[in-house]
Amino acid sequence: NAGVTQTPKFQVLKTGQSMTLQCAQDMNHNSMYWYRQDPGMGLRLIYYSASEGTTDKGEVPNGYNVSRLNKREFSLRLESAAPSQTSVYFCASRRLAGVSTDTQYFGPGTRLTVL
Amino acid sequence: LAKTTQPISMDSYEGQEVNITCSHNNIATNDYITWYQQFPSQGPRFIIQGYKTKVTNEVASLFIPADRKSSTLSLPRVSLSDTAVYYCLVGDRTSGTYKYIFGTGTRLKVLA
Repeated sequence: NAGVTQTPKFQVLKTGQSMTLQCAQDMNHNSMYWYRQDPGMGLRLIYYSASEGTTDKGEVPNGYNVSRLNKREFSLRLESAAPSQTSVYFCASRRLAGVSTDTQYFGPGTRLTVL
Repeated sequence: LAKTTQPISMDSYEGQEVNITCSHNNIATNDYITWYQQFPSQGPRFIIQGYKTKVTNEVASLFIPADRKSSTLSLPRVSLSDTAVYYCLVGDRTSGTYKYIFGTGTRLKVLA
């Protein structure tokens, strides 16, 4: 049981390049989330998927797209990277709503630098 | 979504009890209060969650007054390894579309 995994761990891009961040969870969770964390700041929600087949915008969706490929996988795509997207990206998943203690489980993060 | 306010930073010494207070004045009836811990270069990790009064687990206690407009995370007898950033979140956990809003958190430094 690996929990939430993310690839790659590190990435350097040039302005204008595109890339996809991958996230997978093996806990049979319904909801999945993408956050970004800038230095010294809290996490900000980019996009989320409440269940397989649905996605919705969070606080800072501009410049990003997502795909909920199946129940396990939720990818984040940067179509044309900008230096302002330099950040650490975290993926998280959440158990079905309504259980006694509901929590999000986070992956290890992807550190992205855009030059 | 309810906004939370926490102190930016706190210092403590090993063995002391640490209390971190979070203000959430516009908490809604269905909202729960959740605390996360984050170490450098890692994703946040769940600590504790509650709705009202007091909740205790093996690592912390959570105190919530009757009006629920604030909450206090209590860490008993902290050690150096408790140095981390602590986030308070509020939101409706019963909704499938629930979105967590993280604030800037409280940076706790435990000194020897």
